[in-house]
Amino acid sequence: GAVVSQHPSRVICKSGTSVKIECRSLDFQATTMFWYRQFPKQSLMLMATSNEGSKATYEQGVEKDKFLINHASLTLSTLTVTSAHPEDSSFYICSAPGLGETQYFGPGTRLLVL
Amino acid sequence: AQSVTQLGSHVSVSEGALVLLRCNYSSSVPPYLFWYVQYPNQGLQLLLKYTSAATLVKGINGFEAEFKKSETSFHLTKPSAHMSDAAEYFCAVTKNGGSQGNLIFGKGTKLSVKP
Repeated sequence: GAVVSQHPSRVICKSGTSVKIECRSLDFQATTMFWYRQFPKQSLMLMATSNEGSKATYEQGVEKDKFLINHASLTLSTLTVTSAHPEDSSFYICSAPGLGETQYFGPGTRLLVL
Repeated sequence: AQSVTQLGSHVSVSEGALVLLRCNYSSSVPPYLFWYVQYPNQGLQLLLKYTSAATLVKGINGFEAEFKKSETSFHLTKPSAHMSDAAEYFCAVTKNGGSQGNLIFGKGTKLSVKP
């Protein structure tokens, strides 16, 4: 089946620094990818829709200047958390739509901001 | 607007017992519904999906779910629980009612299986 990878799987950074998370569709192309955020013991919340060749669409309440999204190619979307703070610590998961009404999810990236 | 409600944040069953995880949805358009499973520190894996075909949907690992429009429900069941079924389960509906697109998730139900 279709595979989506994320890199890194885990990252620890200092407050004020920026962190880039990559999401790749390994064996299929995706003009659209989705970024979710999951707080401990909570559900996934959609942050934004990444669109290849155009600007990302952000959900209400998500700061687009803080969470920069770039859909560089048909197999790669990146999420950059700029000037990270401890409250940005979370589990970030991306997904890409495949065939048959199915979303394929990446394994997630755990971000810890000290 | 679409929404999903999962009743019970934590369900505990004995190995071999019936598993029933409840999901109710709200949708202004015909919904596409999904159940995902998440193991610790991992991403989500699709268990099954309802896309307006058969109302009884069979998925992987022996799970199935029945779409009941009259009850706006999509409960997940498995006749006999296995220890390996212990995980977090999420019910989801597509945000815009279509077959693709981003998903609205329920808060999840953690399933524990006792030996």
